Amino acid sequence: KQEVTQIPAALSVPEGENLVLNCSFTDSAIYNLQWFRQDPGKGLTSLLLIQSSQREQTSGRLNASLDKSSGRSTLYIAASQPGDSATYLCAVKETSGSRLTFGEGTQLTVNP
Amino acid sequence: NAGVTQTPKFRVLKTGQSMTLLCAQDMNHEYMYWYRQDPGMGLRLIHYSVGEGTTAKGEVPDGYNVSRLKKQNFLLGLESAAPSQTSVYFCASSLSSSGEEQFFGPGTRLTVL
Repeated sequence: KQEVTQIPAALSVPEGENLVLNCSFTDSAIYNLQWFRQDPGKGLTSLLLIQSSQREQTSGRLNASLDKSSGRSTLYIAASQPGDSATYLCAVKETSGSRLTFGEGTQLTVNP
Repeated sequence: NAGVTQTPKFRVLKTGQSMTLLCAQDMNHEYMYWYRQDPGMGLRLIHYSVGEGTTAKGEVPDGYNVSRLKKQNFLLGLESAAPSQTSVYFCASSLSSSGEEQFFGPGTRLTVL
């Protein structure tokens, strides 16, 4: 059974700092990996999608990498801002079927 | 485009009552999903649909039923609500299954007393 783990569970940084969020998964046979952002009391907003054949994806200040063989992905946020404060979730889509398996998220706080 | 919308946003039920959650998407997506989010458990898939008229069980389907009579709508039903079904419910959709990102609705917060 696929398991997704995100470390740390919570992170607090000063504004302007570059930071890395980690996601690991137990079964490397994935189809893709997706990073989401969730604001308190809100739904999930898709940030980046990495296909299994890709190594990384970039969008603005965000860069996500994928290493299937080691079962790891990282989300790099450059020059963090208070508006980046949210919970960040990673999810993997397994090769067969339609299921996304989610991690429990990293709660990020960026302090002004 | 509104994307994925869910109604209602909040609901309180008594044990044994029934209700239906409605999800609608205007992106002409084939696949639709219902998840529940609970503290310490993350998001778990309840049911999903690969197209109009189809439904399939996810990870935690017991106590729920679904219907996809129209491509743009996916309904989640609770026939006899239980306190264990207190959760936040999210609907999502994707263009297809293979390799496409999923777009989520804003969620429905359900409390069963």
